[in-house]
Amino acid sequence: DQQVKQNSPSLSVQEGRISILNCDYTNSMFDYFLWYKKYPAEGPTFLISISSIKDKNEDGRFTVFLNKSAKHLSLHIVPSQPGDSAVYFCAASAAGTNAGKSTFGDGTTLTVKP
Amino acid sequence: EPEVTQTPSHQVTQMGQEVILRCVPISNHLYFYWYRQILGQKVEFLVSFYNNEISEKSEIFDDQFSVERPDGSNFTLKIRSTKLEDSAMYFCASSAARVMLPQHFGDGTRLSIL
Repeated sequence: DQQVKQNSPSLSVQEGRISILNCDYTNSMFDYFLWYKKYPAEGPTFLISISSIKDKNEDGRFTVFLNKSAKHLSLHIVPSQPGDSAVYFCAASAAGTNAGKSTFGDGTTLTVKP
Repeated sequence: EPEVTQTPSHQVTQMGQEVILRCVPISNHLYFYWYRQILGQKVEFLVSFYNNEISEKSEIFDDQFSVERPDGSNFTLKIRSTKLEDSAMYFCASSAARVMLPQHFGDGTRLSIL
């Protein structure tokens, strides 16, 4: 049962344009969502998060949108830069658990072309 | 900026042998996690650890696995009697709180079982 899905394994955009990465989830208990960026040979690095009480969170070039009714979130990167090229993971957790474990999606490889 | 450190970066072991993967979490963090990523697959939760005991574990984390915080700084994952399918990247993570704050990941240990 794949509770967090990223249906696009890859995305290619031109430098300066917008990158939109999508994520869907099935578990209604999830109430905290995160995006991580991962470069080869490194661990995931936290990018931005959103609580289920919000529908938008913005941090510089990165904005995460949450649509609870659709169980969908997206990450917008504007403008995209070549250094943004990496694998992006969507992750979700449930505040009600004791552990705070994160359930990850499969990842989307973003390539930003100069 | 403080970071999570993992050693070794690469571990090669014969099938059936025991391995210990080591992690030094960020010093003021209270929650500790192990995740793994089999090549080409998603990052999977293994176990969380808080207050010197396991908070939650996945079905992957069977009797073959154990975790320990032997002193105030290290957090270890032991895999007894390794199997070929244990070959993966193992990531340690820590966080200051259970949820609502991101987990900080180490760069991982690549475990290769021969």
